[in-house]
Amino acid sequence: GIQVEQSPPDLILQEGANSTLRCNFSDSVNNLQWFHQNPWGQLINLFYIPSGTKQNGRLSATTVATERYSLLYISSSQTTDSGVYFCAVGVAGTASKLTFGTGTRLQVTL
Amino acid sequence: GAVVSQHPSWVICKSGTSVKIECRSLDFQATTMFWYRQFPKQSLMLMATSNEGSKATYEQGVEKDKFLINHASLTLSTLTVTSAHPEDSSFYICSARESGTGGHYGYTFGSGTRLTIV
Repeated sequence: GIQVEQSPPDLILQEGANSTLRCNFSDSVNNLQWFHQNPWGQLINLFYIPSGTKQNGRLSATTVATERYSLLYISSSQTTDSGVYFCAVGVAGTASKLTFGTGTRLQVTL
Repeated sequence: GAVVSQHPSWVICKSGTSVKIECRSLDFQATTMFWYRQFPKQSLMLMATSNEGSKATYEQGVEKDKFLINHASLTLSTLTVTSAHPEDSSFYICSARESGTGGHYGYTFGSGTRLTIV
């Protein structure tokens, strides 16, 4: 099956700093989403971005499908951004299943 | 927006008992629901895809007799962990996809169930 690797695995930032999270995937995908899992375990959908660039407030994401990677940018980080960020991909012909990446654990400190 | 309710949020059970977890879409119909398991500090692993009115599709390595899935209506799927043992302790998360959603954006996740078997 498809492999989805994220980097870095852990990241500690001071409030106000910017960061870039990366998601590499091993095969062509027809679906790519970024999620934030808060410390209580709830998953929040951030972006649906199988290709191109999107922005939502302090967050933006870019997917280069031909090179099989996606980037999530967090600007002016806040303590509420802490948690785990996952990318998840879907492959054509797999009944809408999502395969989750390894995750990046982010801690934003004061 | 779409809301998925998952209950219970946490449960502690004795080894050998069975535990049922409910996943309910509150304001939309879901033909397909997904069940994931997440061990501490690890990623989400898909266990099975639940289809309304038909048998669930299990991922390789997941025991279908141990993890019973029922999707009897368009708004409710249940996962029953039968004869649970300490190694079944984990965080279980369900996800529902709104019926008729042509694109891939319609995934909503429940808040998860922390299962501890003692």
